[in-house]
Amino acid sequence: NAGVTQTPKFQVLKTGQSMTLQCAQDMNHEYMSWYRQDPGMGLRLIHYSVGAGITDQGEVPNGYNVSRSTTEDFPLRLLSAAPSQTSVYFCASSYSFGNRNGYEQYFGPGTRLTVT
Amino acid sequence: KNQVEQSPQSLIILEGKNCTLQCNYTVSPFSNLRWYKQDTGRGPVSLTIMTFSENTKSNGRYTATLDADTKQSSLHITASQLSDSASYICVVPPGGTYKYIFGTGTRLKVLA
Repeated sequence: NAGVTQTPKFQVLKTGQSMTLQCAQDMNHEYMSWYRQDPGMGLRLIHYSVGAGITDQGEVPNGYNVSRSTTEDFPLRLLSAAPSQTSVYFCASSYSFGNRNGYEQYFGPGTRLTVT
Repeated sequence: KNQVEQSPQSLIILEGKNCTLQCNYTVSPFSNLRWYKQDTGRGPVSLTIMTFSENTKSNGRYTATLDADTKQSSLHITASQLSDSASYICVVPPGGTYKYIFGTGTRLKVLA
């Protein structure tokens, strides 16, 4: 198993540009999520999905779109990049949301995004 | 409001020493609490998951405790090693939502 993979590892964008951060998992996990991590702050949830075709907003969804057409892939789209979106982005997956059965959540290696 | 607070914010210890990190939560309803280790430049990796009925759980030199009555958890690291230098994050998934609640983490530095 490759686990959770993310591409690219690093990206520099100019303000106003759009791009897609890729996330894939090969563990047949239903729950996938995107987080951003900024200095001095905990991971903040951007969007999540509880299965193919089902997505919902997290804590900080503005400026981001997601879709989940397959169980394996959960891309994050930045519509019009802004300097405030400079951050490290993590994708994570788990068999199910872990509030009942303690399912393990696995994180990808992260994408470091800089918007100038 | 669902919150997870961790202390201290940062900690420096000498190699071989023990340390304890704290996590207080106000998440409800509660089912389990997780500790993650995050090395610099990497994604978080799970250390342990503690369910409501567990009050102590070990993973090698890491021992987590949970007091569901006071809503507190601690992570004790024994005989620290240089490789323990990392951020340690406490996470609680509340019932009724699909949103994990993350603490801001404790940054641990182990010096030789």
